[in-house]
Amino acid sequence: AQSVSQHNHHVILSEAASLELGCNYSYGGTVNLFWYVQYPGQHLQLLLKYFSGDPLVKGIKGFEAEFIKSKFSFNLRKPSVQWSDTAEYFCAVNARYGGSQGNLIFGKGTKLSVKP
Amino acid sequence: EAGVAQSPRYKIIEKRQSVAFWCNPISGHATLYWYQQILGQGPKLLIQFQNNGVVDDSQLPKDRFSAERLKGVDSTLKIQPAKLEDSAVYLCASSSPLLTYEQYFGPGTRLTVT
Repeated sequence: AQSVSQHNHHVILSEAASLELGCNYSYGGTVNLFWYVQYPGQHLQLLLKYFSGDPLVKGIKGFEAEFIKSKFSFNLRKPSVQWSDTAEYFCAVNARYGGSQGNLIFGKGTKLSVKP
Repeated sequence: EAGVAQSPRYKIIEKRQSVAFWCNPISGHATLYWYQQILGQGPKLLIQFQNNGVVDDSQLPKDRFSAERLKGVDSTLKIQPAKLEDSAVYLCASSSPLLTYEQYFGPGTRLTVT
């Protein structure tokens, strides 16, 4: 069965610090990869996605993620965080089987707290 | 465009009572999903509809949970009877026929079972 691991439960950074959140998945085939973000009091929203092509993808608000197939990883990065980045971040994966797609499997989430 | 709407936003019930949640997806989105998010975990898919047909309900506890999407638009999720372990946020999401891999989430209903 597919699974997604996010190794950091809670990350605390000061403003302007660099961010990297880890995400590893277990599935040997072709996958779509996502990062979702949930700001306090708001609903889950898509931050960025990878389907194919350039393994370095850029999302909203200066976030980027790199797909490393050999490591089954899709880590999220931002060079300089802001207080407004305080949120919970979820990595998600779905497998591709020919022309169809499997269910979206989420990691447990990483809570990011940015100190002003 | 209007987002995914859910109601109620909060619900507190006693165990063994029943409860129902409502979801209105984004207009034109044929696929609708219900997720359960327990505190400290990521969302877990309960059921997926394509129009008014069920695509996947393999993780739905069918002895107590039921869901329907009669006209291919709105959907309701029901729990009867509720257990303490059903305390969670219930999320509804939808996706369009052309971009089925991009799901748009509603605000969720936070259920507390006492």
